[in-house]
Amino acid sequence: GEDVEQSLFLSVREGDSSVINCTYTDSSSTYLYWYKQEPGAGLQLLTYIFSNMDMKQDQRLTVLLNKKDKHLSLRIADTQTGDSAIYFCAERESSASKIIFGSGTRLSIRP
Amino acid sequence: EAGVVQSPRYKIIEKKQPVAFWCNPISGHNTLYWYLQNLGQGPELLIRYENEEAVDDSQLPKDRFSAERLKGVDSTLKIQPAELGDSAVYLCASSLRTGKGTDTQYFGPGTRLTVL
Repeated sequence: GEDVEQSLFLSVREGDSSVINCTYTDSSSTYLYWYKQEPGAGLQLLTYIFSNMDMKQDQRLTVLLNKKDKHLSLRIADTQTGDSAIYFCAERESSASKIIFGSGTRLSIRP
Repeated sequence: EAGVVQSPRYKIIEKKQPVAFWCNPISGHNTLYWYLQNLGQGPELLIRYENEEAVDDSQLPKDRFSAERLKGVDSTLKIQPAELGDSAVYLCASSLRTGKGTDTQYFGPGTRLTVL
């Protein structure tokens, strides 16, 4: 079945760039998402990318997609303390509403 | 515009007791989802409604879980009886599914259930 994998933890220094990686198995994935979850809150959609794109940039966020390797990354430039959260990678086929989530990467910021 | 509203935010019950969660989706959203999120994991879909019809409930443990979405707006998820392993966060999400777009799902804050 479909599977989405992420590393569990990432620690970066404030002001540096954070890169969160994700791999997925479903080659028919059409939409790939990044969600952010702060403590005690629901998931907030940060950005998404269509499978026919290689890159998408939105302010401090850059998403890179390597469809051949089924690898997705989220780069956060100039990481701030407010970026501390769990980041979930997710994928969906175009014909389905079901989204498959990874287990999340906990990003912590050190001064 | 109000987001997805869920209540209660927290619930503590003893095992074998019933419990119910309520969700009010974003106005105009035709699709509603209930997810289960265990600690340290991503959300897993329990059931999806399109309007008032449950179109995907394959992951819902039907022996103890039930859900309804009367009138195609609010939804209730019930567990009866609750077991220790049901302790988790129950997330509700909604989207405007047109079949053409990204079908972006918007999540509520969740209900954290603790079964003692």
